[in-house]
Amino acid sequence: DAKTTQPPSMDCAEGRAANLPCNHSTISGNEYVYWYRQIHSQGPQYIIHGLKNNETNEMASLIITEDRKSSTLILPHATLRDTAVYYCIVRVALYNFNKFYFGSGTKLNVKP
Amino acid sequence: ETGVTQSPTHLIKTRGQQVTLRCSSQSGHNTVSWYQQALGQGPQFIFQYYREEENGRGNFPPRFSGLQFPNYSSELNVNALELDDSALYLCASSLDGTSIEAFFGQGTRLTVV
Repeated sequence: DAKTTQPPSMDCAEGRAANLPCNHSTISGNEYVYWYRQIHSQGPQYIIHGLKNNETNEMASLIITEDRKSSTLILPHATLRDTAVYYCIVRVALYNFNKFYFGSGTKLNVKP
Repeated sequence: ETGVTQSPTHLIKTRGQQVTLRCSSQSGHNTVSWYQQALGQGPQFIFQYYREEENGRGNFPPRFSGLQFPNYSSELNVNALELDDSALYLCASSLDGTSIEAFFGQGTRLTVV
């Protein structure tokens, strides 16, 4: 019951921006978009999240379209350590209940 | 390091057996969720515990059960193991049921033979 669709893999040159797209066309108005990444089957690591507005933190930027049906995660200067599987997630938040709907993820290969 | 620890890290069981996986949540966190991640796929939500009670469940059969203790650590129990139960099992802790961020542990790799 995944709510997101992502390309299975992408390549990026080291030092360049990595732009990872995600479709979430069935997202509801109160559901957040989250991005996590997972390196070598370790536990997923939080990157960023947003509801409507674009967001930026020290790791990345999140661009959400006005209709909220898609988003893009931007890693401004990719390094080799950014090679990982990136998950675009829709978060359903009810009273005291949180559920993350993970997609299949995008394997980002950062190359020298 | 997220402060969420899971044990054991790896486990091999035989079909039909029962298994218990453990998760220690981050200090101060009262909510724990469990996820199953099959090879090459994204994690799938199993259930969530909030203050020692299950308050949400995904599409998993009743042989997947859990507990949360007064210190908010948690267990995932799986009975009558099947080959398809082979996966990475992840727990995630959060400050409460609606916290912005969930912190994942490193997971337990379960292999059923």
